Amino acid sequence: AQSVTQLGSHVSVSEGALVLLRCNYSSSVPPYLFWYVQYPNQGLQLLLKYTTGATLVKGINGFEAEFKKSETSFHLTKPSAHMSDAAEYFCAVTNSGGSNYKLTFGKGTLLTVNP
Amino acid sequence: KAGVTQTPRYLIKTRGQQVTLSCSPISGHRSVSWYQQTPGQGLQFLFEYFSETQRNKGNFPGRFSGRQFSNSRSEMNVSTLELGDSALYLCASKRTGIINDELFFGSGTQLSVL
Repeated sequence: AQSVTQLGSHVSVSEGALVLLRCNYSSSVPPYLFWYVQYPNQGLQLLLKYTTGATLVKGINGFEAEFKKSETSFHLTKPSAHMSDAAEYFCAVTNSGGSNYKLTFGKGTLLTVNP
Repeated sequence: KAGVTQTPRYLIKTRGQQVTLSCSPISGHRSVSWYQQTPGQGLQFLFEYFSETQRNKGNFPGRFSGRQFSNSRSEMNVSTLELGDSALYLCASKRTGIINDELFFGSGTQLSVL
């Protein structure tokens, strides 16, 4: 079984401040990990993903995440928040093996950026 | 290149009715997945189709069903609607059947059951 826990359903930062969105996962096999962003009234868009190889993954819009196996974490960061980053962010996991084709999502973290 | 298209965008039904939602994937994509999104439960996987075959199904009652056509377009059907079925239903497609291939999501169908 696999699961995702996103700590903090709502995170508020000031424009220009560091963004840190936390994600911890549980998986019985090596995981594939994803971060998606959802803007109001839209579907989800992939920000970045970790499959194998380098544990620091860079994505779109200046976001990056680091896979830490020992901590079962995949936190999302951005050095300097922009107003346009305000959205809901979802961490997701799927198994790297077997026939499990589904993504399991966390509950989401709503990011607010204050001017 | 057109994105994932879901129709209709909004739907209002009453309890006991049935509903069919449609999804047209990105051209060339062979995998289509469906997710239900609600404020309380978040995003939950419904099912995934690849080349007209259902490969995986989430933990939903049999009232939820789907299918995929030879052109990769997919439909999802919910019979005997319940109030709790009110949700945003998202369709997502990807080019291959590979697990870590990128999913592209549509804007969803917002279903309200009265």
